[in-house]
Amino acid sequence: NAGVTQTPKFQVLKTGQSMTLQCAQDMNHNSMYWYRQDPGMGLRLIYYSASEGTTDKGEVPNGYNVSRLNKREFSLRLESAAPSQTSVYFCASSRQETGDEKLFFGSGTQLSVL
Amino acid sequence: QKEVEQDPGPLSVPEGAIVSLNCTYSNSAFQYFMWYRQYSRKGPELLMYTYSSGNKEDGRFTAQVDKSSKYISLFIRDSQPSDSATYLCAMSPTGNQFYFGTGTSLTVIP
Repeated sequence: NAGVTQTPKFQVLKTGQSMTLQCAQDMNHNSMYWYRQDPGMGLRLIYYSASEGTTDKGEVPNGYNVSRLNKREFSLRLESAAPSQTSVYFCASSRQETGDEKLFFGSGTQLSVL
Repeated sequence: QKEVEQDPGPLSVPEGAIVSLNCTYSNSAFQYFMWYRQYSRKGPELLMYTYSSGNKEDGRFTAQVDKSSKYISLFIRDSQPSDSATYLCAMSPTGNQFYFGTGTSLTVIP
């Protein structure tokens, strides 16, 4: 059981370049999330998707777009990367049923924007 | 004021010690409480999950929730060098919202 799978694991971009981070989960979870983690800032929510076909902004959505492609897949796109987007990005998923509010994370994407 | 406060440490203890990690929170709507362990350059791994108040034990780990004081704790007994990691607390009311502490860095010295 793979859980939450993210690709790529590492990426270096130049300012202004674009890229898409891919995420897939095989746990049949309803909700999926994208977080960024920066030193001293903890995990901050970028976007989330409560179910297939819906997406909502989190705490730090500026400069990002997302697509919930189907129940399994949730991608994060940087249209024009900026150095402030240098961070570690985590995808996560949860079943989102009352009494089962557990969040499971992928292994992360380390992104550097030069 | 942040929703969740967690002492960042770092915390350094000798092998075999009892470790106590803590978080406080301000939102009385939180009902679900989690502890995650994160090794360097890895994703957070769910360690303990508790609903409402009370204690939960799993091997060397015990999670405590005191909703009246808005305080949660994670105790690690007989700590091992393999426990060296950053520990994140997380909380949730019902819904899609999860609130995280900034993490406490723990080193267990052999």
